[in-house]
Amino acid sequence: AQSVTQPDIHITVSEGASLELRCNYSYGATPYLFWYVQSPGQGLQLLLKYFSGDTLVQGIKGFEAEFKRSQSSFNLRKPSVHWSDAAEYFCAVGMDTGRRALTFGSGTRLQVQP
Amino acid sequence: GAVVSQHPSRVICKSGTSVKIECRSLDFQATTMFWYRQFPKKSLMLMATSNEGSKATYEQGVEKDKFLINHASLTLSTLTVTSAHPEDSSFYICSARGAGLAGTNEQYFGPGTRLTVT
Repeated sequence: AQSVTQPDIHITVSEGASLELRCNYSYGATPYLFWYVQSPGQGLQLLLKYFSGDTLVQGIKGFEAEFKRSQSSFNLRKPSVHWSDAAEYFCAVGMDTGRRALTFGSGTRLQVQP
Repeated sequence: GAVVSQHPSRVICKSGTSVKIECRSLDFQATTMFWYRQFPKKSLMLMATSNEGSKATYEQGVEKDKFLINHASLTLSTLTVTSAHPEDSSFYICSARGAGLAGTNEQYFGPGTRLTVT
């Protein structure tokens, strides 16, 4: 069974600073990888996804993530954080078949200091 | 883009009553819908997988008689929480996977339904 680990429960950064949220997965084959953002009381918004090809993927809102097979990681990055980025971020993994639900990490709560 | 809606967005019900939550794919046909539950400040946990025209598959530990799922059409799945108790209070999120998107594992998430049982 696949699993996702987000080691950082809570991160605080200053506005304008760079950000990296960590995600490690466990899965026997090449995974489908996703990053979602959730604002309080809201649903999930897809930031970006990796299926194949270029291991550096660009997403919305200036986010990017890099798939590193050797490290089983898919870390999310942003060069300059905005106050509106404060939210909960979830990394998720899906299987090759595409028929099963996603497995989510436990989430990282991002706080942005002025 | 593909849009998934949920109704209601927020519901308060009394203990012992039942409540139905709808999940609709607005601009695509969803052969598969997933129901997740999210506890406060926790991750999403899969409750069940719903395929159109067939019985839902429930995850271990989820009571199928308590959480009734119906996927009667390619655009609608419903989750009914029967005999609700305060511990059923949670945020319920559905996602839908389209027939035309098979193989990409792409799911579209609804905005969620906040259930509070008093």
